[in-house]
Amino acid sequence: GAVVSQHPSWVICKSGTSVKIECRSLDFQATTMFWYRQFPKQSLMLMATSNEGSKATYEQGVEKDKFLINHASLTLSTLTVTSAHPEDSSFYICSARGTSGRGSYEQFFGPGTRLTVL
Amino acid sequence: GIQVEQSPPDLILQEGANSTLRCNFSDSVNNLQWFHQNPWGQLINLFYIPSGTKQNGRLSATTVATERYSLLYISSSQTTDSGVYFCAVGSGAAGNKLTFGGGTRVLVKP
Repeated sequence: GAVVSQHPSWVICKSGTSVKIECRSLDFQATTMFWYRQFPKQSLMLMATSNEGSKATYEQGVEKDKFLINHASLTLSTLTVTSAHPEDSSFYICSARGTSGRGSYEQFFGPGTRLTVL
Repeated sequence: GIQVEQSPPDLILQEGANSTLRCNFSDSVNNLQWFHQNPWGQLINLFYIPSGTKQNGRLSATTVATERYSLLYISSSQTTDSGVYFCAVGSGAAGNKLTFGGGTRVLVKP
């Protein structure tokens, strides 16, 4: 159980275009989903926290107008990179936390999306 | 915010060897997870262990919350254990927000 999927797994786009990444919890409902970014040979950095039906909370230094997050249902969150530039090229990973009510904060991660902006 | 340090940063092992990875954190936590990131980037959940000791096959972990550290033990290492191991912690009301350590890059040689 606790499977999270992401789509697409990789994407190449031209500078100035927008790219949407989907994150789905396949076998559980996720009240909270998270978006992380990872540069080569570095650790993961939290970008934003999204709760179903409410606005996302962005970490300091993350542009909310550039990285649009929508958490429309308990199983789907989307990240849209708007007007992408080469410096946005990175590995984007989502995670989800369930609604089991057990008090566990355990997060389960998607396989990631590799974005390359030309 | 909370600081997370992992050591060692790199580890080279001969197949069959045992090893210990360490994670130090700067504040009390109510969430601590260990992950293995495979070569394709997927984070595999190893342990959810804000306190206590757990074992899963050749892997085990111990978190001493009062002393702010956690240890991941790998016994009888195999080449498939290669990859990056991350410790991530969360605290307080935002216990669901994870802060990642820098990772330990493990290479197991046959």
